Amino acid sequence: AQTVTQSQPEMSVQEAETVTLSCTYDTSESNYYLFWYKQPPSRQMILVIRQEAYKQQNATENRFSVNFQKAAKSFSLKISDSQLGDTAMYFCAFILDDFGNEKLTFGTGTRLTIIP
Amino acid sequence: GAGVSQSPSNKVTEKGKDVELRCDPISGHTALYWYRQSLGQGLEFLIYFQGNSAPDKSGLPSDRFSAERTGGSVSTLTIQRTQQEDSAVYLCASRERWRTGELFFGEGSRLTVL
Repeated sequence: AQTVTQSQPEMSVQEAETVTLSCTYDTSESNYYLFWYKQPPSRQMILVIRQEAYKQQNATENRFSVNFQKAAKSFSLKISDSQLGDTAMYFCAFILDDFGNEKLTFGTGTRLTIIP
Repeated sequence: GAGVSQSPSNKVTEKGKDVELRCDPISGHTALYWYRQSLGQGLEFLIYFQGNSAPDKSGLPSDRFSAERTGGSVSTLTIQRTQQEDSAVYLCASRERWRTGELFFGEGSRLTVL
């Protein structure tokens, strides 16, 4: 079974600074996808960024980028120029690239607070 | 509607009663997921549907939990004989067939069992 581990339950950073959230995962498969989801205090989860395991290039979405280290099974999220609206729970998630197994597994989350 | 709609948004019930939670996915989304989130915790997978079929029911905590999906659209999660440990936010999500892992979530149904 695949597992996702987020070892930082809480983090805080000053507005405009850069912060990195950690995620590791465990799988014996080679084809999969990784994601970061954000859950603001309003509760609704939204997708932040996606990474295909077969791609060596790290994904980037505006101020959000990832550092994907496949051999180390590490998938960290970097938020640059952090803003107050980035305050949220962040979840790392994993899914196999397998038509018959489409279960998305989440980590336990990191609560990020941006300090004005 | 434009997004995933869940109802009720809040439900308070007494221990032992049955509850039904409804999810209306985004039109055209073939896959539908149910997760449970306890206070301040991560997301616990319950079940997912591809069309009306549920290939993976492995996350349902007990036989008191069941789910169905009809017409490839609306899904209902039913909890029978509710227990206090069932108190949580139940999240529904849907996605397009070929967008692996890219889930669109509803706002959830908060269940409180007294």
